[in-house]
Amino acid sequence: DTEVTQTPKHLVMGMTNKKSLKCEQHMGHRAMYWYKQKAKKPPELMFVYSYEKLSINESVPSRFSPECPNSSLLNLHLHALQPEDSALYLCASSRIRDSNQPQHFGDGTRLSIL
Amino acid sequence: AQSVSQHNHHVILSEAASLELGCNYSYGGTVNLFWYVQYPGQHLQLLLKYFSGDPLVKGIKGFEAEFIKSKFSFNLRKPSVQWSDTAEYFCAVNEGGSARQLTFGSGTQLTVLP
Repeated sequence: DTEVTQTPKHLVMGMTNKKSLKCEQHMGHRAMYWYKQKAKKPPELMFVYSYEKLSINESVPSRFSPECPNSSLLNLHLHALQPEDSALYLCASSRIRDSNQPQHFGDGTRLSIL
Repeated sequence: AQSVSQHNHHVILSEAASLELGCNYSYGGTVNLFWYVQYPGQHLQLLLKYFSGDPLVKGIKGFEAEFIKSKFSFNLRKPSVQWSDTAEYFCAVNEGGSARQLTFGSGTQLTVLP
């Protein structure tokens, strides 16, 4: 079992819907990440939060809006998505101080856009 | 920007065969190196990591990897694979001192035949 919890596990939404993905960890990690993973491809970094502040945005379209309300939670708000946004969305967390510490991944949310 | 290459896209082995998966990276400075495994339908799990010291690193489930700085390589090995090792394997690198930017290789699908 992973220590990073993501909900929901599956999400099907239309292109006009608004939905949110949630991620939670209680390991005291102060860096949290969103990745997008297409089938048979490696994870692609979307956003990084450090100490609850957005530190990296990898040129992600504005229809994806991240939010970090506290040190344990990370949300990804979705609006007006496109069919090509269908993918597995992974959340990860890590300690901030030591770059050699690994990232811990959640099971992901499998998103399908109709 | 650094890049990570995994030249074997799909490897098929019989049980008890030996495994070596290649990983090469492009960054010339200090790096931290990781191997992650993703079993079907499961989250990314850390197999092993290297950041300093002995270049031969032992991980979980009998896996090991050797860091060869002169070759910019971090190959994953296992002397005898099992059917349960069937999974996608990702090599990942971040720059020493840079906690947040993890670059993944394209992944290697390992299929072990019983």
